[in-house]
Amino acid sequence: AQKVTQAQTEISVVEKEDVTLDCVYETRDTTYYLFWYKQPPSGELVFLIRRNSFDEQNEISGRYSWNFQKSTSSFNFTITASQVVDSAVYFCALSDSLELTGGGNKLTFGTGTQLKVEL
Amino acid sequence: NAGVMQNPRHLVRRRGQEARLRCSPMKGHSHVYWYRQLPEEGLKFMVYLQKENIIDESGMPKERFSAEFPKEGPSILRIQQVVRGDSAAYFCASSLGPNSGANVLTFGAGSRLTVL
Repeated sequence: AQKVTQAQTEISVVEKEDVTLDCVYETRDTTYYLFWYKQPPSGELVFLIRRNSFDEQNEISGRYSWNFQKSTSSFNFTITASQVVDSAVYFCALSDSLELTGGGNKLTFGTGTQLKVEL
Repeated sequence: NAGVMQNPRHLVRRRGQEARLRCSPMKGHSHVYWYRQLPEEGLKFMVYLQKENIIDESGMPKERFSAEFPKEGPSILRIQQVVRGDSAAYFCASSLGPNSGANVLTFGAGSRLTVL
């Protein structure tokens, strides 16, 4: 069974601080995808990143960066110089096995981390 | 190029009534997924459909819930005889299809069901 754990329920930071959101996952599959989604107060889900299990290279996109470490089954997300607009719930998710469903689109989500960025 | 469209955005029902939630996938997407988000929780997979076919309904409650994706028109998630525990946000997502290079779900804005 797949499982995603986001141990941080809520994080509060002051604007311009860096913040890291943790994500730990469990899977028996050798091929899988990891995702991060942002859910702002308006409620929609915004895709941020997808990473496949064979690519452990860290990625940076503007103020966002992701650290994928297969050895510890973690896929952490760092926001540098946080801004008030970053305030949202952030979800980490794991896809199922491509071999089982032919799709890899059935996602297992963590419970989310509420990030509050204050002035 | 419109994204995934869900309606209604908000729906209020009394216990025992029926709720119908609609989802139009992104243009060109033929695969639809429904997820449910209970208050203070993450999203939970419910069902995966292609046109006229249910591919995986392992996350659907055994009773009162059904989903369809007809040849023409939107996908429908139907909840019969709603109870207070059905109050949640229901998200629809679509994708190009299995094993495609895109392989990324695009989510709609969700439909928030409140059962009084």
